[in-house]
Amino acid sequence: AQSVTQPDARVTVSEGASLQLRCKYSYSATPYLFWYVQYPRQGLQLLLKYYSGDPVVQGVNSFEAEFSKSNSSFHLQKASVHWSDSAVYFCALSMTNSAGNKLTFGIGTRVLVRP
Amino acid sequence: EAAVTQSPRSKVAVTGGKVTLSCHQTNNHDYMYWYRQDTGHGLRLIHYSYVADSTEKGDIPDGYKASRPSQENFSLILELASLSQTAVYFCASSDDRAGQNTLYFGAGTRLSVL
Repeated sequence: AQSVTQPDARVTVSEGASLQLRCKYSYSATPYLFWYVQYPRQGLQLLLKYYSGDPVVQGVNSFEAEFSKSNSSFHLQKASVHWSDSAVYFCALSMTNSAGNKLTFGIGTRVLVRP
Repeated sequence: EAAVTQSPRSKVAVTGGKVTLSCHQTNNHDYMYWYRQDTGHGLRLIHYSYVADSTEKGDIPDGYKASRPSQENFSLILELASLSQTAVYFCASSDDRAGQNTLYFGAGTRLSVL
């Protein structure tokens, strides 16, 4: 069975600092990978996604992520965070051989950006 | 702009009572999903549907029923609500290309079972 692990439940960073959120996955093939963000009292919104090709993908709001097949990872990064980046970030995967878009989510990483 | 609307936004229910959560999408998407969010578990799939009048079980379907009367509407039904079903519930929609498409989420329904 597939799984997604986000090892950091909470991350605190200062405004202007860089941010990296870790994501490891377990799946027998190369999955489709996603990062979603949940702002307070809102639903999840897509930040970026990886299907194939260039392992570095760019997303909204200057986020990027790098896929590593050898490490089974899909880490999210941002060079300089803003206070508005405070949110919960979810890594998710979708199996390449399944109909529909059923996602398996990690538990999420809560990010607090200090002014 | 994709739109998924959930109602109610919050609800308090009594143990053993019936609860219906509603979801409406204007995206013209074939797929709709119900996820449950609990602290420490992330989101888990309860039921999903790829066509009206048909529903499928997700990863944690026990204690829940789903109904898809039309392409736009997808309901989650708790026939006998229990304390363990206190959670935030999210509805989402997507189109039908396998694995690749974005899920559009509603704002969630916060359910408290007392």
